[in-house]
Amino acid sequence: EAQVTQNPRYLITVTGKKLTVTCSQNMNHEYMSWYRQDPGLGLRQIYYSMNVEVTDKGDVPEGYKVSRKEKRNFPLILESPSPNQTSLYFCASRYNRNSNQPQHFGDGTRLSIL
Amino acid sequence: RKEVEQDPGPFNVPEGATVAFNCTYSNSASQSFFWYRQDCRKEPKLLMSVYSSGNEDGRFTAQLNRASQYISLLIRDSKLSDSATYLCVVKGGPDNQGGKLIFGQGTELSVKP
Repeated sequence: EAQVTQNPRYLITVTGKKLTVTCSQNMNHEYMSWYRQDPGLGLRQIYYSMNVEVTDKGDVPEGYKVSRKEKRNFPLILESPSPNQTSLYFCASRYNRNSNQPQHFGDGTRLSIL
Repeated sequence: RKEVEQDPGPFNVPEGATVAFNCTYSNSASQSFFWYRQDCRKEPKLLMSVYSSGNEDGRFTAQLNRASQYISLLIRDSKLSDSATYLCVVKGGPDNQGGKLIFGQGTELSVKP
């Protein structure tokens, strides 16, 4: 089954404790993204990757890092989480940046930073 | 001004009603347009693409007006199961924001018995 898998689904943690949200897709997609979703603000892109070892900032990259060492994986790293990073996070992938095929989303990760 | 703006919600309608969602976008170089559906803070899923000539999928009709930079979604004979948040999504071309998908903030629809 074609899917985007992100873990964990839920996490409550404290300010300053480094955390990683993993994302993996099994569709051989080149293009992957991370979004955060906040009430009234919609989905905002944090980082994206057009292929292995190619990553770039989205609209709200501050406080986040990513890596793309393998095509299937695109982890999101919060080196020193702060309460304003409490949000619902989605990883997504599609075939490539030009593709109009559906963008597949993971189930979401609900992060609470205390 | 937001890049993609949608009607503020929520829309509360009775079953069987026809409901219309409107969306405007600011970047005239945008190339592709979509409506996504999101159920109760679950992941967004593609509902339908929007083509210049307009397109229909069962009870759903999407329209695009490039001159006015306006997109619409019409749902006829609404069902309880249509209750969700509808996201207007615009994609830039490869030389325009790297093909990024830009999401509107969404309009919540609640269909009542």
